[in-house]
Amino acid sequence: KAGVTQTPRYLIKTRGQQVTLSCSPISGHRSVSWYQQTPGQGLQFLFEYFSETQRNKGNFPGRFSGRQFSNSRSEMNVSTLELGDSALYLCASSKNSGKADEQYFGPGTRLTVT
Amino acid sequence: AQRVTQPEKLLSVFKGAPVELKCNYSYSGSPELFWYVQYSRQRLQLLLRHISRESIKGFTADLNKGETSFHLKKPFAQEEDSAMYYCALRGNTDKLIFGTGTRLQVFP
Repeated sequence: KAGVTQTPRYLIKTRGQQVTLSCSPISGHRSVSWYQQTPGQGLQFLFEYFSETQRNKGNFPGRFSGRQFSNSRSEMNVSTLELGDSALYLCASSKNSGKADEQYFGPGTRLTVT
Repeated sequence: AQRVTQPEKLLSVFKGAPVELKCNYSYSGSPELFWYVQYSRQRLQLLLRHISRESIKGFTADLNKGETSFHLKKPFAQEEDSAMYYCALRGNTDKLIFGTGTRLQVFP
């Protein structure tokens, strides 16, 4: 079974631009969660989508948004990029949404904002 | 508030030595706790979860509700255990909250 895939793997953007990252979950998984990983803050939860609905949201500004499509693929968008948005963005998928479900992580998208 | 604390950024041991990676949490209800591991150039993966009460790759972790801890232990470290280890908590909101991670270095 193919794992979680994320595209692109690397991205360089300029301050003020916007960016869209994509995540394809494992086949049959309906939940997709997004995380931001930085050296200073570690792994921080951004949001979770399940059956095309946002189920949970972390403490990030409104510049960070996401969506999920009917095939469970998910995108996250960051508008008006800031230098501090430079990070590794990870997505994880699970069969369902809830405490008991194991999350499988993708390789991440490394975003650099200059 | 839900919080996970991993007090050690780096833990260095020699092969064959015991290992204990500390994790303390803050949560008022009944959390579910996990240990995730990230080997060099690999993706983050689940190592073990407290409800399974199993040993994976020789690692065990016991939930101590009195001390709000979920320390990861292994009696004899191997070089291939060198990796980044993250403790994580899932509470009633179902969000997965991670600690800042501990890098384990096992020297030969």
